[in-house]
Amino acid sequence: GDSVTQMEGPVTLSEEAFLTINCTYTATGYPSLFWYVQYPGEGLQLLLKATKADDKGSNKGFEATYRKETTSFHLEKGSVQVSDSAVYFCALSDRANFGNEKLTFGTGTRLTIIP
Amino acid sequence: DGGITQSPKYLFRKEGQNVTLSCEQNLNHDAMYWYRQDPGQGLRLIYYSQIVNDFQKGDIAEGYSVSREKKESFPLTVTSAQKNPTAFYLCASSTVTGGGQETQYFGPGTRLLVL
Repeated sequence: GDSVTQMEGPVTLSEEAFLTINCTYTATGYPSLFWYVQYPGEGLQLLLKATKADDKGSNKGFEATYRKETTSFHLEKGSVQVSDSAVYFCALSDRANFGNEKLTFGTGTRLTIIP
Repeated sequence: DGGITQSPKYLFRKEGQNVTLSCEQNLNHDAMYWYRQDPGQGLRLIYYSQIVNDFQKGDIAEGYSVSREKKESFPLTVTSAQKNPTAFYLCASSTVTGGGQETQYFGPGTRLLVL
């Protein structure tokens, strides 16, 4: 079945540091890939997505590139801010399940940025 | 403003009691989802519905029930058969295109605690 493996947290960085959160996936079809972010006490919100191989999703300074050859979708940001402190979830939607928009999530990575 | 509302924010359940969590959306989305979030386990799908009067079990449906009588509403009942209901419950919605590319929009969540 489909699965998503994320880098174990928590991750603690200083402000303006470079961020990488690793994400790899297993899917039977041709998935779309997503990064969602969850701020304390809130629901999830989409951060970025990519729907086919070599696509790059980007938003708010975050980027991730869909790498089919390595089945990866690593999240990066060049200079993190305190406001980026949150839990980050990698997820996939497998288009082999036609008409079924189910998401499979990773376990989440808690990120804390220290001023 | 369009969005998803969940109520209540906190819910307390007594032994042997059924409780119902509300989820309403005004995004005109066809699909709705319920997820359970436990610490360190990411999100797991309980039930989903892609059309009114139809729904399917997700990965952890035992001890839960749902209904979809209106497009805007997808209430979740946690029954007494669910022996470990303490968790954060998230409702989401999306359009349905069959391409697996659609973003899911999440509500703010309901935290269920057992007395």
